[in-house]
Amino acid sequence: NAGVTQTPKFQVLKTGQSMTLQCAQDMNHEYMSWYRQDPGMGLRLIHYSVGAGITDQGEVPNGYNVSRSTTEDFPLRLLSAAPSQTSVYFCASSGGGGTEAFFGQGTRLTVV
Amino acid sequence: TQLLEQSPQFLSIQEGENLTVYCNSSSVFSSLQWYRQEPGEGPVLLVTVVTGGEVKKLKRLTFQFGDARKDSSLHITAAQPGDTGLYLCAGAHNNDMRFGAGTRLTVKP
Repeated sequence: NAGVTQTPKFQVLKTGQSMTLQCAQDMNHEYMSWYRQDPGMGLRLIHYSVGAGITDQGEVPNGYNVSRSTTEDFPLRLLSAAPSQTSVYFCASSGGGGTEAFFGQGTRLTVV
Repeated sequence: TQLLEQSPQFLSIQEGENLTVYCNSSSVFSSLQWYRQEPGEGPVLLVTVVTGGEVKKLKRLTFQFGDARKDSSLHITAAQPGDTGLYLCAGAHNNDMRFGAGTRLTVKP
């Protein structure tokens, strides 16, 4: 059982470049979310989705786009990367309603 | 300002000591979770507390949910080096889950 799979694990971007972080889950969870983790800041919610076709903004949505065309996939897009987006990104899925969140292994992104 | 405030931010103790870490908020949560994260990995759930005043035990770890469901504590008895990690609390907030900044625990042998 793969759980939550994130790719890539590491990425270096130049300022202004775009990229998509991939996230897929095989647990048929309705709820998926993206967090960024910075030293001393914990996990901050970027965007989340409560089901296919539905997305909403979290605490720090600026500079990121998401879509949810299927239950399984929830990609995160950086349209024009900035050094402030250097961080570790985690995707998570859950059944919603405060149930257990399952996390991917993270993507360490550096923007130079 | 974070919705959930965790303290202390860092804690370094010797093997065999006891410790308590805290998670506080001004908001009421329908449930609160504790996660543990190791370097290079995503957080992994330790426990979920739902009822105000609830106490849950997981071997040497004791979790308590405040009566008003705004705060929680994690107590570790006789800490071991294997307990080293980042402890995060998380609360269900509307349709999403919000995390505290975490307590980074180091247990020295």
